[in-house]
Amino acid sequence: EIVLTQSPATLSLSPGDRATLSCRASQSVGSSLAWYQQKPGQAPRLLIYDASNRATGIPTRFSGSGSGTDFTLTISSLEPEDFAVYYCQQRGNWPLTFGGGTRVDIK
Amino acid sequence: EVQLLESGGGLVQPGGSLRLSCTASGITFSSYAMSWVRQAPGKGLEWVSGISAGGGNTYYADSVKGRFTISRDNSKNTLYLQVNSLRAEDTAVYYCAKVYGGAYYFDFWGQGALVTVSS
Repeated sequence: EIVLTQSPATLSLSPGDRATLSCRASQSVGSSLAWYQQKPGQAPRLLIYDASNRATGIPTRFSGSGSGTDFTLTISSLEPEDFAVYYCQQRGNWPLTFGGGTRVDIK
Repeated sequence: EVQLLESGGGLVQPGGSLRLSCTASGITFSSYAMSWVRQAPGKGLEWVSGISAGGGNTYYADSVKGRFTISRDNSKNTLYLQVNSLRAEDTAVYYCAKVYGGAYYFDFWGQGALVTVSS
């Protein structure tokens, strides 16, 4: 099973700041990685797939990069609605796995 | 508008069983693979099971293999998860999720069904 390790666990930032979230895989997943956003009481929302492709309707301030074992989600300038928990997920190998999440909260 | 509506959750004793359902609308259900993903209270996401568009291929997390069975009825636009031999650690919100194209990412999610395993 591929283990995804997200860091940091919590990121405390202010609106307008740049957020950089990391996801590291225990073995290569190529580019087969997605990022999701989840707000309290809501289902997750797909942000990025195949490491760097924005899903439909996702603002351009969200971008993804990386391949192999190291991936990054960047939010260029945090909006108030971006404070949430972010998860990465790999589909490179069965079973599918998610990272433990990074909480982005208001400083 | 795509909608996924789960039902069948509830309180069940350890060792008990439930069948979760997920009814889809706004999509050609039979064209898409589907999955179940769960989230224990206050915890992260855990993929549970997946099924191909036609239902011929199924996949399970090791934690549920042999206890859970995924199935679908494309004539009813409905996905199922039969959960047996439930344990306290199966307590979670169970989401059904539509697979994005041919790739096992999830672009639409239901609002979830809570399963609580407790005596």
